[in-house]
Amino acid sequence: DVKVTQSSRYLVKRTGEKVFLECVQDMDHENMFWYRQDPGLGLRLIYFSYDVKMKEKGDIPEGYSVSREKKERFSLILESASTNQTSMYLCASSSSPAGSGYTFGSGTRLTVV
Amino acid sequence: EDQVTQSPEALRLQEGESSSLNCSYTVSGLRGLFWYRQDPGKGPEFLFTLYSAGEEKEKERLKATLTKKESFLHITAPKPEDSATYLCAVWDGGSQGNLIFGKGTKLSVKP
Repeated sequence: DVKVTQSSRYLVKRTGEKVFLECVQDMDHENMFWYRQDPGLGLRLIYFSYDVKMKEKGDIPEGYSVSREKKERFSLILESASTNQTSMYLCASSSSPAGSGYTFGSGTRLTVV
Repeated sequence: EDQVTQSPEALRLQEGESSSLNCSYTVSGLRGLFWYRQDPGKGPEFLFTLYSAGEEKEKERLKATLTKKESFLHITAPKPEDSATYLCAVWDGGSQGNLIFGKGTKLSVKP
């Protein structure tokens, strides 16, 4: 079974901390995505990557950065965590082009205190 | 601008009470429409892909249909375990193909 694995289900971090969220896929997919999901706002795209070492800004990149050093791994970095970054973070991957849709990870619930 | 609108935002059904969820879209050239199911605290799980108007897909109590402007997810005789948020997404077949997601319909099925 194809899988997207997010390293943590729950995280609690302090304001100002640098936070790393890791995502690994085993499907040899070219495309990887980071979303955040908040009640009433739906899925919002933070960053995505079409290839190793490539990244593109999504709709809400402010306060975030990403790293893709290997095809199977896509990391989301919160440079200095703030309380308004408390959210559910979802990683997804897809083949290119995305005709078969996305496969999502199980999500990371991040709380910034 | 491409958009996906899902309605209703929330739907409460009694067990066995059939209904439909709607996903309307404005996309310049639809190449694929996707339905996902999301349980609380988990990532979305793939349900169906529809590629052309008139296409239908079925899985257990769920049936997805597609027209040129909208898709329906029909739920026949739902059970409490069908309670979840259902997400719709469209793909316009762009060079890479980011999906555009609706905000979802939260379905609650009471026994």
